[in-house]
Amino acid sequence: DIQMTQSPSTLSASVGDRVTITCRADQSIRYWLAWYQQKPGKAPKVLIYDASNLQSGVPSRFSGSGSGTEFTLTINSLQPDDFATYYCHQYSGYSQTFGQGTKVDIK
Amino acid sequence: EGQLVESGGGLVQPGGSLRLSCEASGFTLSSYGMNWVRQAPGKGLEYVSGVNSNGVTTYYANSVKNRFTISRDNSKNTLYLQMDSLRAEDMGVYYCARGNVNIFYLAAFDIWGQGTMVTVSS
Repeated sequence: DIQMTQSPSTLSASVGDRVTITCRADQSIRYWLAWYQQKPGKAPKVLIYDASNLQSGVPSRFSGSGSGTEFTLTINSLQPDDFATYYCHQYSGYSQTFGQGTKVDIK
Repeated sequence: EGQLVESGGGLVQPGGSLRLSCEASGFTLSSYGMNWVRQAPGKGLEYVSGVNSNGVTTYYANSVKNRFTISRDNSKNTLYLQMDSLRAEDMGVYYCARGNVNIFYLAAFDIWGQGTMVTVSS
């Protein structure tokens, strides 16, 4: 199975900050990576798919980049609604894996 | 936009069985690959199983292989997960999720259900 290492595990930030979360795969997954946002008691919501495509309806302050083994989720100008946990997800084959999650909380 | 609604969770003893259902509305289930993802209390997301749009190709995580069975009835717009020989480590919220193409891999999950809780305890 492909292992996904997500960092940091927690991140304290303020409204208006630029936030970056990284996900590394232990082998190439090309661009088969998504980013999800999850709030307590709720289902995950897709933000980015195929590494850099913004899901319809998601604010443009979210962006994704990377290919191969290293990927980044960036949130420009963090908003109060963005405090949540974020997961990367590789779907390059039958066996799929999620990163451990990054909790973004208020500094 | 479509919606997924899970049902069938509950309390079961170790070694017992449960059948989860996931009913789709607002889109044609037969056009999409489907998946189950679970989340243990306070933990991260774990991929459990996937099935292609025609129901022929399936995949199971090693942790559930030979105990869980994924299936679908496209005529009823419903996805299922039969869970047998349940263990304490199977406890958590189970989500069904739609892949954004007709196969369950090479597809991000664009629609998720609200989740159904499975508790395994004596």
